[in-house]
Amino acid sequence: GAGVSQSPSNKVTEKGKDVELRCDPISGHTALYWYRQSLGQGLEFLIYFQGNSAPDKSGLPSDRFSAERTGGSVSTLTIQRTQQEDSAVYLCASSLSGGNYEQYFGPGTRLTVT
Amino acid sequence: GNSVTQMEGPVTLSEEAFLTINCTYTATGYPSLFWYVQYPGEGLQLLLKATKADDKGSNKGFEATYRKETTSFHLEKGSVQVSDSAVYFCARYYGNNRLAFGKGNQVVVIP
Repeated sequence: GAGVSQSPSNKVTEKGKDVELRCDPISGHTALYWYRQSLGQGLEFLIYFQGNSAPDKSGLPSDRFSAERTGGSVSTLTIQRTQQEDSAVYLCASSLSGGNYEQYFGPGTRLTVT
Repeated sequence: GNSVTQMEGPVTLSEEAFLTINCTYTATGYPSLFWYVQYPGEGLQLLLKATKADDKGSNKGFEATYRKETTSFHLEKGSVQVSDSAVYFCARYYGNNRLAFGKGNQVVVIP
């Protein structure tokens, strides 16, 4: 079956521009996660969605970052006024439910801010 | 606070050698522990997991035992292959709806 997909796979943007990253979770998975993978910081949690509950945004690094999940499926991570330190690989994962279920990861979007 | 620590630096070894990657965690209570693997050009995949003390997770010849007394979850494989070349991440789940990852170890297996 189809796994988690993300688009675009690579994105190069100029400092100050806004970007949108998309995640399509596995069908039927109610939980969706965004992580960021960067050289200096390793893998960091950003945000978590579970069903129709309010998302856990505690990992977002600044108010320039936001995310939404429409219809309990597709999610979009938006970074406004990008900075060079936002350059990283952004990973999306989904699981059957929140809690201790296995998280399935997408291939990631590599963001480069010039 | 809660964290996951992996040994520093890449690991380079010859085919059929024994592999150990150390992982320790700090936490109160008993978190579930995982090893994820990232092959070149691919996304993270769950390699194995253990959900309680003394559990042993195993997959593809890899093993890790959840050691409560040493708060460790070291990854081992008795005879590595070139195809095992990848980045390996230790991770902890602790009931806050997220995984906390170690920094990862690049493993390079030379034929």
